[in-house]
Amino acid sequence: SAVISQKPSRDICQRGTSLTIQCQVDSQVTMMFWYRQQPGQSLTLIATANQGSEATYESGFVIDKFPISRPNLTFSTLTVSNMSPEDSSIYLCSVVHPGTETQYFGPGTRLLVL
Amino acid sequence: QKEVEQDPGPLSVPEGAIVSLNCTYSNSAFQYFMWYRQYSRKGPELLMYTYSSGNKEDGRFTAQVDKSSKYISLFIRDSQPSDSATYLCAMMGYGGSQGNLIFGKGTKLSVKP
Repeated sequence: SAVISQKPSRDICQRGTSLTIQCQVDSQVTMMFWYRQQPGQSLTLIATANQGSEATYESGFVIDKFPISRPNLTFSTLTVSNMSPEDSSIYLCSVVHPGTETQYFGPGTRLLVL
Repeated sequence: QKEVEQDPGPLSVPEGAIVSLNCTYSNSAFQYFMWYRQYSRKGPELLMYTYSSGNKEDGRFTAQVDKSSKYISLFIRDSQPSDSATYLCAMMGYGGSQGNLIFGKGTKLSVKP
């Protein structure tokens, strides 16, 4: 399976600021995704990070709040903009293993907004 | 009704016990079913992956899918303290977005020595 790393692993931020989370994969992958895991809630898909084009957002998530970049097949960033305490969550990137339907997750970024 | 229901537990069992974890779902379009294990402060780790109905065994783990009842299970035999984690069921539909895994909330399992 692909080795996925995320930076930062955790952060504490002030409301109104923005944080950019990086996701790096050790091999080229076509499909890369960003999820949110709020306390006591299911993992929820934020968007699909498309290489060379705009991300595809799920209902309830918008580009202005969660801008995503995907400059190549091994890297993506998710920015959480104008943060509020409700954005406190774990943010995870995942990739689809080539030739399968299975998704593998990074270690996550733990965000606390004060 | 949520698309995927999973009892959050916590579930506590003695070492060596057989553990049964379950999820129910409402969307009959789901065809791919997965179980992930998530240790504290780690990302989810894929444990089992099944397509359509039936059983799949991998070592001490058995995944079972009953599409007629919209019910999936994960059995852990001879449970070990190292199995203590949160177990997440996930599923997605045939022909739908590859990305859109629908997760249960997870069941927290504790295996006591």
